Amino acid sequence: DAGVTQSPTHLIKTRGQHVTLRCSPISGHKSVSWYQQVLGQGPQFIFQYYEKEERGRGNFPDRFSARQFPNYSSELNVNALLLGDSALYLCASSLNLDYGYTFGSGTRLTVV
Amino acid sequence: EDQVTQSPEALRLQEGESSSLNCSYTVSGLRGLFWYRQDPGKGPEFLFTLYSAGEEKEKERLKATLTKKESFLHITAPKPEDSATYLCAVRSGGSYIPTFGRGTSLIVHP
Repeated sequence: DAGVTQSPTHLIKTRGQHVTLRCSPISGHKSVSWYQQVLGQGPQFIFQYYEKEERGRGNFPDRFSARQFPNYSSELNVNALLLGDSALYLCASSLNLDYGYTFGSGTRLTVV
Repeated sequence: EDQVTQSPEALRLQEGESSSLNCSYTVSGLRGLFWYRQDPGKGPEFLFTLYSAGEEKEKERLKATLTKKESFLHITAPKPEDSATYLCAVRSGGSYIPTFGRGTSLIVHP
């Protein structure tokens, strides 16, 4: 079985641009969460979706948005990129809200 | 607000030298404490979930234990391939969202 798939794996963007990151959960998993991990820090929660509804939002500005599609895949969008948005963006899926997470390998975003 | 503190920040061991990593937490009604292993540039890999004080789980050279205030990840006779960052996360009764600590970077020298 395929694990959590994230694309792209690496991305370089310029300040002010917009980026879309994509995540495909494990088959049968209905919950997807997004985390930001800056080098040397633990993952910071951004969004959680379950059954296509937003179930949680972390302390991130409105430039960050996300959605979950009918097939349970998800997109994370970031507008007006700042240098400080450079990080590893992790997607995690779980069977439901009470189960543990399986993480993807992440998307490394560099903003220049 | 849930809080997780991991110590030490970094740990260097010789191959075969056993040690423990600590995860102290403050949470309103623990709904799960999770340990993950993370290799550089990769996503975290799930190791264990603990739910109640006194619970223990083992996997190869790793053993996780839980009290009401902290969890330990014991590493017995580590090998160089155990080198990684180990992350601890907690989920409280009021939330389905795990809060992560900053991790402990472990390096095992041959």
